[in-house]
Amino acid sequence: EAGVVQSPRYKIIEKKQPVAFWCNPISGHNTLYWYRQNLGQGPELLIRYENEEAVDDSQLPKDRFSAERLKGVDSTLKIQPAELGDSAVYLCASSLGWVNSPLHFGNGTRLTVT
Amino acid sequence: DQQVKQNSPSLSVQEGRISILNCDYTNSMFDYFLWYKKYPAEGPTFLISISSIKDKNEDGRFTVFLNKSAKHLSLHIVPSQPGDSAVYFCAASLNTGGFKTIFGAGTRLFVKA
Repeated sequence: EAGVVQSPRYKIIEKKQPVAFWCNPISGHNTLYWYRQNLGQGPELLIRYENEEAVDDSQLPKDRFSAERLKGVDSTLKIQPAELGDSAVYLCASSLGWVNSPLHFGNGTRLTVT
Repeated sequence: DQQVKQNSPSLSVQEGRISILNCDYTNSMFDYFLWYKKYPAEGPTFLISISSIKDKNEDGRFTVFLNKSAKHLSLHIVPSQPGDSAVYFCAASLNTGGFKTIFGAGTRLFVKA
């Protein structure tokens, strides 16, 4: 099966600029996650979707971050405006959605804000 | 507030020997635990898991042990191989009100040939 696809792989922007990340989950996976991984730390959940619905966005900084998952498949995560502290790897993951099903991660987008 | 802790940032082991990676958690409500492996420039990949109702799960060279009273789990790799060199993340899942998976900071394993 094809894995989770993310683009771009790398992005360098200046602070205050907008940036967007795209994710295509594994076919048939109705649950989609966006995680952020800072250097030397584990992934931290930003938002979780069940189909089109964001069921957990409690950790998403809503003043500058937004996400959407139209039609319950692909998803986009946006930051506007970006800050220096947003530099991190942004990981998308998907799962079958049943209890304890493991997460399948994409290779991530490494964002550098200068 | 780190609910899942991996206190060893790195571990070095000789090829053929046992690797033991440790993980501690604070929330007794966690009911499922997973280990993920990550190579550079790749996303984490699922390795092995264990339910809170068990104390051991084995898959080939990989065994996970869970000590609920101590809120501690460990991953054993026997025998260790150079290809096992990666970062290993411990994760804990909470299945109330929609499940959450919380990750530790990871342990970098070096297996020397």
